[in-house]
Amino acid sequence: KNEVEQSPQNLTAQEGEFITINCSYSVGISALHWLQQHPGGGIVSLFMLSSGKKKHGRLIATINIQEKHSSLHITASHPRDSAVYICAVRSRSGSRLTFGEGTQLTVNP
Amino acid sequence: NAGVTQTPKFQVLKTGQSMTLQCAQDMNHEYMSWYRQDPGMGLRLIHYSVGAGITDQGEVPNGYNVSRSTTEDFPLRLLSAAPSQTSVYFCASKSSYNSPLHFGNGTRLTVT
Repeated sequence: KNEVEQSPQNLTAQEGEFITINCSYSVGISALHWLQQHPGGGIVSLFMLSSGKKKHGRLIATINIQEKHSSLHITASHPRDSAVYICAVRSRSGSRLTFGEGTQLTVNP
Repeated sequence: NAGVTQTPKFQVLKTGQSMTLQCAQDMNHEYMSWYRQDPGMGLRLIHYSVGAGITDQGEVPNGYNVSRSTTEDFPLRLLSAAPSQTSVYFCASKSSYNSPLHFGNGTRLTVT
């Protein structure tokens, strides 16, 4: 079992839909990151969180430390949100990030 | 600020050839790292550096060398390219241990 599991692997939505991408991990962590990889390949950091909830525009990230689970929500989705969304965790015992395989999101107009 | 700049964007090598992937950042970040991204796998750490003159191995270091002579630059050297090194390579930097990562645009390498 991978340390970081994302679901779903692929997600297709219609413009305007509310989207949820999930990330589960198996170790105690000090931080969890959500990243976005554009169709052209570039990767940008969306959120870094260790507890609670963060919001930026239409994006919301939540984390439940006890359940070892995080969700990334996108409200009022738009075709420009089409990308791969990657979850990564830093364990409490280490300095390195462990990455999930990513969720491919396609938002159709 | 340009952020993290990687060159080249694309490269094709023959088995046994050597090359250097360049990475430079202009944000004065202490931490720099190299990852490779392969289909069906998450990003994997090759080598990293916590400051000039300091480097360490990541998860998949074999076949790669790095050096960090300045804060700005962190080149990745392939000593003798193998088809298994066909991948997309990303350089990343961050200002401190618990800061977000800033990624370069990636280098797509094909080894034939």
